Amino acid sequence: NAGVTQTPKFQVLKTGQSMTLQCAQDMNHEYMSWYRQDPGMGLRLIHYSVGAGITDQGEVPNGYNVSRSTTEDFPLRLLSAAPSQTSVYFCASSPTHPPDTQYFGPGTRLTVL
Amino acid sequence: AQRVTQPEKLLSVFKGAPVELKCNYSYSGSPELFWYVQYSRQRLQLLLRHISRESIKGFTADLNKGETSFHLKKPFAQEEDSAMYYCALSLAAGNKLTFGGGTRVLVKP
Repeated sequence: NAGVTQTPKFQVLKTGQSMTLQCAQDMNHEYMSWYRQDPGMGLRLIHYSVGAGITDQGEVPNGYNVSRSTTEDFPLRLLSAAPSQTSVYFCASSPTHPPDTQYFGPGTRLTVL
Repeated sequence: AQRVTQPEKLLSVFKGAPVELKCNYSYSGSPELFWYVQYSRQRLQLLLRHISRESIKGFTADLNKGETSFHLKKPFAQEEDSAMYYCALSLAAGNKLTFGGGTRVLVKP
């Protein structure tokens, strides 16, 4: 099993550009989530999904959209990138709901200029 | 809303010394508490969960409901323990994990 995969590993955007961060898991987990990691602020939940077709907002959802058309994929879209969205983004999945043991992807380091 | 606080951003200890990472949470019910760890160039991974009451890599953590704390302890730190540690909380009726701000541990030789 590949576990949780994320692409790209690194990305540089200009303010106002849009892009999609990809996340996929091959463990048949129903629960998936996106976090951003910022120094001193830990991991903050952006959006999560408890199954295909079901998504909900986390702690910091503004400026981000998600969809869950399949169990495997959970892409995160930045609609109009801003410098405040410079961060490391982690996708995670869990076999349980509510989540306890979460399996994390390797992360995407995003810089917005 | 639930909150997790890790008061120390950085802990620096010598090899063989004890290390304790503090975690306090704000929630009046019965949460589930976890410690996650991120070693250099590795993914964030679960270290231990309070419900298991187990020791992983020499680390233990006790849930103190009276003090709403879940401190992580190891009696003799090793250099390979150098990492970023996150305390996290989950509610039985909730849909998410809430993470603390993280504590970076540096174990010096």
